[in-house]
Amino acid sequence: KNEVEQSPQNLTAQEGEFITINCSYSVGISALHWLQQHPGGGIVSLFMLSSGKKKHGRLIATINIQEKHSSLHITASHPRDSAVYICAVLIYNQGGKLIFGQGTELSVKP
Amino acid sequence: KAGVTQTPRYLIKTRGQQVTLSCSPISGHRSVSWYQQTPGQGLQFLFEYFSETQRNKGNFPGRFSGRQFSNSRSEMNVSTLELGDSALYLCASSLQGIEAGELFFGEGSRLTVL
Repeated sequence: KNEVEQSPQNLTAQEGEFITINCSYSVGISALHWLQQHPGGGIVSLFMLSSGKKKHGRLIATINIQEKHSSLHITASHPRDSAVYICAVLIYNQGGKLIFGQGTELSVKP
Repeated sequence: KAGVTQTPRYLIKTRGQQVTLSCSPISGHRSVSWYQQTPGQGLQFLFEYFSETQRNKGNFPGRFSGRQFSNSRSEMNVSTLELGDSALYLCASSLQGIEAGELFFGEGSRLTVL
């Protein structure tokens, strides 16, 4: 079992829908990053969380440290949100190693 | 403000050769971290340098090494290349480090090993 699991692996939505991507991890962490990667493009950092909730525009990220779970929400989705979303956790009891989920490929149809 | 610059963008090597990749971070950023991305394994963390010191390290063999210079520019070296080293190598810079701050990624260096 991977230390970081994302669900779903693939997601197709209609423009305007509310989208949730989940990230669960099995070890203690000190921080969690949400990243976005467009096809053929670079990676953009969306959020860095160590507790609570953060919001930026239509994106909201939450983390529950006790339940070892984080969610990324996209409100009023748009075709330009189509990308791969990746969570990454920093595990301090392994020498500060950063471990990535396998990514969630999101396609938003107009 | 200039972004993170990686060079070269594309390169082809043969098995057994070595390669050096360069990453210039955003001005003022002291942390540079390196990542390998392949279709099969996804993104994997290689190591992080902060103020010229390796601070964190992933599970890669000793053939993968790096360093950081006093101007925060970083280089990654892979010796004795194997076919499986073919990948997109990304670096990211951060003001406070991967555990405390936002990461800014470069466009990557795509390495093909023949």
